[in-house]
Amino acid sequence: QTVVTQEPSLTVSPGGTVTLTCASSTGAVTSGYYPSWFQQKPGQAPRALIYTTSNKHSWTPARFSGSLLGGKAALTLSGVQPEDEAEYYCLLYYGGVQVFGGGTKLTVL
Amino acid sequence: EVQLVESGGDLVQPGGSLRLSCVVSGFTFSTYAMNWVRQAPGKGLEWVSGIGARGGSTYYADSVRGRFTISRDNSKNTLYLQMNSLRAEDTAIYYCARDTIANDCYWGQGTLVTVSP
Repeated sequence: QTVVTQEPSLTVSPGGTVTLTCASSTGAVTSGYYPSWFQQKPGQAPRALIYTTSNKHSWTPARFSGSLLGGKAALTLSGVQPEDEAEYYCLLYYGGVQVFGGGTKLTVL
Repeated sequence: EVQLVESGGDLVQPGGSLRLSCVVSGFTFSTYAMNWVRQAPGKGLEWVSGIGARGGSTYYADSVRGRFTISRDNSKNTLYLQMNSLRAEDTAIYYCARDTIANDCYWGQGTLVTVSP
């Protein structure tokens, strides 16, 4: 069974920079896994932020960026805002089947 | 405006069946892959199933394979999830989402399925 692993929680100061990562139990994450990132706030449906590693949706703020870093997918927030406090999920594609990571709870403090 | 509206969630007994629907508007439904994603109470997101734009390709998570069936009716702009042999661990909010790995991925607001005696 494929497992996708994220940091359970991270804390960042307002205006700071933080990087969330996403690892696959099958090995290094590449662009072929079409890494995607989603944000979810309490009581709300998830919202897509990044697709195919580094592409932003039309509504994605410029401070969010995606990349590959050391065999993992990564989501970097630069100039963090208080409203960025949320749960963040990565999603990897395994030839049809998709698997979410367990999520990273980002606290802005 | 793109909209995805799920329905069909309900309280059902273990072993029972339920069919969820997701009616979409604001885009050409027949040109997009679609997915079902669920979230158990207080837990993370779990991808459940996906279907190609024309319905010819379907995919399932191991946890639901053999019990759930995804389908679509492009003439009705509707995505379905037939859920059989339901278990307590299937209790969750079920979301439909447009092509989770592509541009402009939209989500519905979800429908709640509760499996309990």
